[in-house]
Amino acid sequence: SQQGEEDPQALSIQEGENATMNCSYKTSINNLQWYRQNSGRGLVHLILIRSNEREKHSGRLRVTLDTSKKSSSLLITASRAADTASYFCAMDTGRRALTFGSGTRLQVQP
Amino acid sequence: SAVISQKPSRDICQRGTSLTIQCQVDSQVTMMFWYRQQPGQSLTLIATANQGSEATYESGFVIDKFPISRPNLTFSTLTVSNMSPEDSSIYLCSVEHGQETQYFGPGTRLLVL
Repeated sequence: SQQGEEDPQALSIQEGENATMNCSYKTSINNLQWYRQNSGRGLVHLILIRSNEREKHSGRLRVTLDTSKKSSSLLITASRAADTASYFCAMDTGRRALTFGSGTRLQVQP
Repeated sequence: SAVISQKPSRDICQRGTSLTIQCQVDSQVTMMFWYRQQPGQSLTLIATANQGSEATYESGFVIDKFPISRPNLTFSTLTVSNMSPEDSSIYLCSVEHGQETQYFGPGTRLLVL
């Protein structure tokens, strides 16, 4: 399955700062999901945004979706050291299985 | 949400051998998926495990190398056959549960020597 692209590939910030990650994809989608992965372990589901939604919030997370540009962004506000992880976007293109982006490695310095 | 367990959590295997990975879900689900994550890479779909029928494989993955079983709506296995060092990866199962959300198991970390 064709991957989406994420940028930046890696991001290092200080605690308390905001972190923004971007995801671009190539085909039409039903929804887009964001996941967190700590140190090569299982994926934790963060948030799902449907193709007819433009913005969604969950706690310190804010996700936007622009289907005309085939892009999404994940904003983590007031970051903490515990947010250090890899973040992946994943697209549901109607096949129900997910197509994953390339991932962003976030390092939050205490 | 669905609670998913995988066995084993990790293993070190010799080339030429096979390993079967189990995935157990705490509720009945229609769709189960197997993904591979090679070192430092993103996830790639191996196959969709269908209950009562053969799995549906993605391009580049074949049944002889990755046979899959799905005997019921809560369980699936993935076998990595005739392993080589290139098969060293994390293997993850996932399920679709509720409204479109997919949940992932903790993964099986495989190292082939």
